[in-house]
Amino acid sequence: ETGVTQTPRHLVMGMTNKKSLKCEQHLGHNAMYWYKQSAKKPLELMFVYSLEERVENNSVPSRFSPECPNSSHLFLHLHTLQPEDSALYLCASSQAQTSLYEQYFGPGTRLTVT
Amino acid sequence: GNSVTQMEGPVTLSEEAFLTINCTYTATGYPSLFWYVQYPGEGLQLLLKATKADDKGSNKGFEATYRKETTSFHLEKGSVQVSDSAVYFCALSDPSEDSSYKLIFGSGTRLLVRP
Repeated sequence: ETGVTQTPRHLVMGMTNKKSLKCEQHLGHNAMYWYKQSAKKPLELMFVYSLEERVENNSVPSRFSPECPNSSHLFLHLHTLQPEDSALYLCASSQAQTSLYEQYFGPGTRLTVT
Repeated sequence: GNSVTQMEGPVTLSEEAFLTINCTYTATGYPSLFWYVQYPGEGLQLLLKATKADDKGSNKGFEATYRKETTSFHLEKGSVQVSDSAVYFCALSDPSEDSSYKLIFGSGTRLLVRP
């Protein structure tokens, strides 16, 4: 138990569906991250929020839309996804503006797009 | 730019064997270094860390020493167990960079320990 929870743990959706992934951290951190982990590919950083402002968006397609309503919650809204978007989506948090940016990860949401 | 290079896996060992997973890095400043572990079906967990040269991080029998002269942070364990089977990621963060909040990950090394 790392203090970062993600729901749902597994999600199957069709290409025309709209769904959302949720992440919550109980560590008092002020930075949150979304990563994509695909089989046989390096971990990809998608979005970073620091102090509730988006500070990084790594050329992620617009069918992925993040939302950070407060420092404890992070969402990833999904719509009209493609089969190649099937992956493990990991959320992480850290304490920004310190000298040590260790990140704490949630268990991930395994997404399958059919 | 900053980068992390890990040895390719999978690494297959028998129980109680000695483990080394190599990690080297390039960085413009003085990075902090981390090892993360990912067990099957789970997210990444911080295993150990080191913040300056010659620091040794250790946890659960694993050790890694921050070697500035060789830009390395190799992970070692004296006697592995079946339960150590997982994917291990080396990572760095560079406080001197504007994007210092970012962790740079290696590609991961899968370890399989056989009974």
